Amino acid sequence: GQQLNQSPQSMFIQEGEDVSMNCTSSSIFNTWLWYKQDPGEGPVLLIALYKAGELTSNGRLTAQFGITRKDSFLNISASIPSDVGIYFCAGRAPGNTPLVFGKGTRLSVIA
Amino acid sequence: DGGITQSPKYLFRKEGQNVTLSCEQNLNHDAMYWYRQDPGQGLRLIYYSQIVNDFQKGDIAEGYSVSREKKESFPLTVTSAQKNPTAFYLCASRDRLLTEAFFGQGTRLTVV
Repeated sequence: GQQLNQSPQSMFIQEGEDVSMNCTSSSIFNTWLWYKQDPGEGPVLLIALYKAGELTSNGRLTAQFGITRKDSFLNISASIPSDVGIYFCAGRAPGNTPLVFGKGTRLSVIA
Repeated sequence: DGGITQSPKYLFRKEGQNVTLSCEQNLNHDAMYWYRQDPGQGLRLIYYSQIVNDFQKGDIAEGYSVSREKKESFPLTVTSAQKNPTAFYLCASRDRLLTEAFFGQGTRLTVV
């Protein structure tokens, strides 16, 4: 099945630093979603993007739907220890198809 | 409280036994999904159902079975035919008019 190319796989950053991660696809998506997963828990939805070029914020998080509809990025500003976790991108192709997920970016924050 | 409930949180089974994982939602969502998560693999789709009494295979359906007799419930059976069943299993649901899927808290299955 199709998978998204998510990078980086892992990041170690200092508290207070900004973080950027992205996802790319070989095909067009109508929707991009970003989730965060804490250890041993289910993913929680952070941001949903519906239109090419759309830029959406949720607190310190900002995500963009790429103009080509084949990519998306997520930025976290001024990271804090509770940002630790795995961040997943997910996309939905045209039609009533299930979400496709990236392999995740594991974020570690050093206080 | 509205949400998706997976039970149990942890499950241990002997090799060769079938085991059923529960997923219940009270969000009135039409679509439900089962994903498997292994370290470094992301989420892989096992089965999904868009409507009661109908379901479709995902990317890794071999060794699994599902049923969708009620809108609220989508149980997953891990059969003895599944070669490597130890994993973290996640259930999700979605309103048919929306894109966002919402997840349960997961079940960690360990087969010994």
